[in-house]
Amino acid sequence: ETGVTQSPTHLIKTRGQQVTLRCSSQSGHNTVSWYQQALGQGPQFIFQYYREEENGRGNFPPRFSGLQFPNYSSELNVNALELDDSALYLCASSPLGGVGTDTQYFGPGTRLTVL
Amino acid sequence: AQTVTQSQPEMSVQEAETVTLSCTYDTSESNYYLFWYKQPPSRQMILVIRQEAYKQQNATENRFSVNFQKAAKSFSLKISDSQLGDTAMYFCAFMIHGSSNTGKLIFGQGTTLQVKP
Repeated sequence: ETGVTQSPTHLIKTRGQQVTLRCSSQSGHNTVSWYQQALGQGPQFIFQYYREEENGRGNFPPRFSGLQFPNYSSELNVNALELDDSALYLCASSPLGGVGTDTQYFGPGTRLTVL
Repeated sequence: AQTVTQSQPEMSVQEAETVTLSCTYDTSESNYYLFWYKQPPSRQMILVIRQEAYKQQNATENRFSVNFQKAAKSFSLKISDSQLGDTAMYFCAFMIHGSSNTGKLIFGQGTTLQVKP
């Protein structure tokens, strides 16, 4: 059974640029959630995708957007990067979509640095 | 609004001893799940244990157990026979169960645990 995978591992961007982060959900999981984790802090919920639609969203501006594909993989897009966007971005998948109350299993994360 | 508080930023324990990590939460919901996740320096977040709020029995997973006090809104993690591989940051997390759920996990600030040989 393949776990949650994310790419790339590390990324360096310049302020104002755009970035796309990718996530493949664990086999059998149809729901993907994205989190932002600043250094030394707990993760903050960005949004969740189920059946290719946004199922819930945290307190993040519209320049954070996402997609989910028919194979349940997902992308996180961030436009107009700001220095404060520098963080570890975590993707998590769960096996029961819709109610979204099942356990979330995390990928290794993408470390984004904005200069 | 729901909040999760971990009041111990750092803890240490000798190998083979027992340690308890504290977590309190605040919510007006009655139906929810609680989790402990572990994040080693390699950064992959790993599920340690999960507790459904409607269950009175405390969850256990091998050397890991919780003390769930619903009325006090407390959810502590006990690690028995600590091992060097338990060194990590531990996060307590909360999720609403039911129709108002949006899949959002709410995390505490974390407790860094160091197991000493």
